[in-house]
Amino acid sequence: NAGVTQTPKFQVLKTGQSMTLQCAQDMNHEYMSWYRQDPGMGLRLIHYSVGAGITDQGEVPNGYNVSRSTTEDFPLRLLSAAPSQTSVYFCASSYSPQGSSGNTIYFGEGSWLTVV
Amino acid sequence: AQSVAQPEDQVNVAEGNPLTVKCTYSVSGNPYLFWYVQYPNRGLQFLLKYITGDNLVKGSYGFEAEFNKSQTSFHLKKPSALVSDSALYFCAVRDKPSADKLSFGAGTTVTVRA
Repeated sequence: NAGVTQTPKFQVLKTGQSMTLQCAQDMNHEYMSWYRQDPGMGLRLIHYSVGAGITDQGEVPNGYNVSRSTTEDFPLRLLSAAPSQTSVYFCASSYSPQGSSGNTIYFGEGSWLTVV
Repeated sequence: AQSVAQPEDQVNVAEGNPLTVKCTYSVSGNPYLFWYVQYPNRGLQFLLKYITGDNLVKGSYGFEAEFNKSQTSFHLKKPSALVSDSALYFCAVRDKPSADKLSFGAGTTVTVRA
């Protein structure tokens, strides 16, 4: 009963380095998304995907790339890390909402990223 | 556009007392409202949601929330708070069932003192 799994949990990067945050879900959810959490700002959507091969930008996409080659995986790539990307990142997933409504979104445990 | 406001950064209550965490929303259509809780160094956990039907929604851990359309509010309540309820609470809204775009409030830190 893994749910949504994120790795790594903690990471320190130097400015300019690149890295990938991994996200996998075993619930056969069509929808997956990445959020970042910053103090006093709640969660902000970075990118999301409505199914394999389909991705779209959220509220704060700059500096991040995503891909969705399989239903299970949705990695988030930081192309050239900046101190402003220091944050806690959450991956989330939910069932396809077509034909239904108000699907619960399930979140991973979070990835704490510090860029120095 | 959809948005959520949590007017209180912090709520402090004594154990055994009622707990209320406030949330107001703004959407263009019918709202789909959610409450999530985040314990320290953990991910968000789903508490409850309002989609349609009864305005009083019951959720996990003894929490409930009341949907008030006229006041555009969805306050989270618990009749008797526990120390273990101390956490960060997020209200979220989605105005379309087909979009995976939740809009979150800034969060309210709840501290329950023994």
